[in-house]
Amino acid sequence: RKEVEQDPGPFNVPEGATVAFNCTYSNSASQSFFWYRQDCRKEPKLLMSVYSSGNEDGRFTAQLNRASQYISLLIRDSKLSDSATYLCVVRTGGSYIPTFGRGTSLIVHP
Amino acid sequence: DADVTQTPRNRITKTGKRIMLECSQTKGHDRMYWYRQDPGLGLRLIYYSFDVKDINKGEISDGYSVSRQAQAKFSLSLESAIPNQTALYFCATSGGQGADDTEAFFGQGTRLTVV
Repeated sequence: RKEVEQDPGPFNVPEGATVAFNCTYSNSASQSFFWYRQDCRKEPKLLMSVYSSGNEDGRFTAQLNRASQYISLLIRDSKLSDSATYLCVVRTGGSYIPTFGRGTSLIVHP
Repeated sequence: DADVTQTPRNRITKTGKRIMLECSQTKGHDRMYWYRQDPGLGLRLIYYSFDVKDINKGEISDGYSVSRQAQAKFSLSLESAIPNQTALYFCATSGGQGADDTEAFFGQGTRLTVV
């Protein structure tokens, strides 16, 4: 079983829609969680960290569920510019190695 | 200028050739990583280094070697390139201060094709 799993999608949604992605992780010792965004043929860039209490940044909300070992990303009022691949990243306690999921592709259409 | 710079950005090489991909960073980070990305497989860790004298194998190190020449420089070598090493290669760094010190910063990638 892969350490970090994501549904590859693609999620195909109209502008203005709300869309949510989940990511599951297998190591219960995981301590740090992040969502990265990657545009086609570009480098990944940090979108947001995921905190235990959940956190919001504009239209983006991230949640952590330790009991079920998953994190989620909710995007409200989708824009065309949100089209990208969203990578779930997990770091296990004591390790500085980020482990990446395979990514979830989002396509927002007019 | 980018904080993490990779050279070359694109390279086509022949099977059996030796090739080096270079990475330099101006962020002052101690930790550096090399990943490769293949369609459908995501980012896989090749090698990583937490200091100038520290080199560690990642998930898929076979066929690769690295050199950490200085804190700011981390190069990846393919001693004898083979076609299944065709991929997009990313260098990344981390090691800032604060709660999110594990945020990874990526170079723009090197697209390598082995023919």
